[in-house]
Amino acid sequence: AQSVTQLDSHVSVSEGTPVLLRCNYSSSYSPSLFWYVQHPNKGLQLLLKYTSAATLVKGINGFEAEFKKSETSFHLTKPSAHMSDAAEYFCVVSEYSSGGGADGLTFGKGTHLIIQP
Amino acid sequence: EAGVVQSPRYKIIEKKLPVAFWCNPISGHNTLYWYRQNLGQGPELLIRYENEEAVDDSQLPKDRFSAERLKGVDSTLKIQPAELGDSAVYLCASSSGQSYNEQFFGPGTRLTVL
Repeated sequence: AQSVTQLDSHVSVSEGTPVLLRCNYSSSYSPSLFWYVQHPNKGLQLLLKYTSAATLVKGINGFEAEFKKSETSFHLTKPSAHMSDAAEYFCVVSEYSSGGGADGLTFGKGTHLIIQP
Repeated sequence: EAGVVQSPRYKIIEKKLPVAFWCNPISGHNTLYWYRQNLGQGPELLIRYENEEAVDDSQLPKDRFSAERLKGVDSTLKIQPAELGDSAVYLCASSSGQSYNEQFFGPGTRLTVL
């Protein structure tokens, strides 16, 4: 069974400073890992995905994440926060079922990112 | 390319009444998912379709929830009767089955049960 733990329910940073959103996962197989962002009253948008290629994954809007198998972590970072980054961020894990086909995604509880002016 | 379409966007009903949500996935996507997102939580899978077959409905409360995808394209999720605890956002997503299960989400239907 797969699971995701987002270590912080809220993160507050000042505009222009680095962002770190922490995520640990548990998976029986080699997982696919994602970060999704959800702005208020808007749909979920994919930021980036890890698919067993490069361990450092670059996404949209300057975000990136590093897959560390030894630590079972997939933390999301951005060098310099922008006001428009304020949103809810979800770390997500996915496996393929033994019968074939992709399972549904398992979401973390989310981290609310607050950007201070 | 059109994204995942859901309707209605908002629905307010009284408890004990039925309600239905509709989803049209991205063209060519064989896999369709319904998720429920409670306030302050991440989405949770309700059901997954591969074409017209429901291959994973283990999390669907079958006493009151039902879903169908008759022609393997659009899908309907129904609740009958609705209860207060069903208030949530219902999200539909679709996937091509490739690209490591990248799923594309619709805007969701926000259900309020009074």
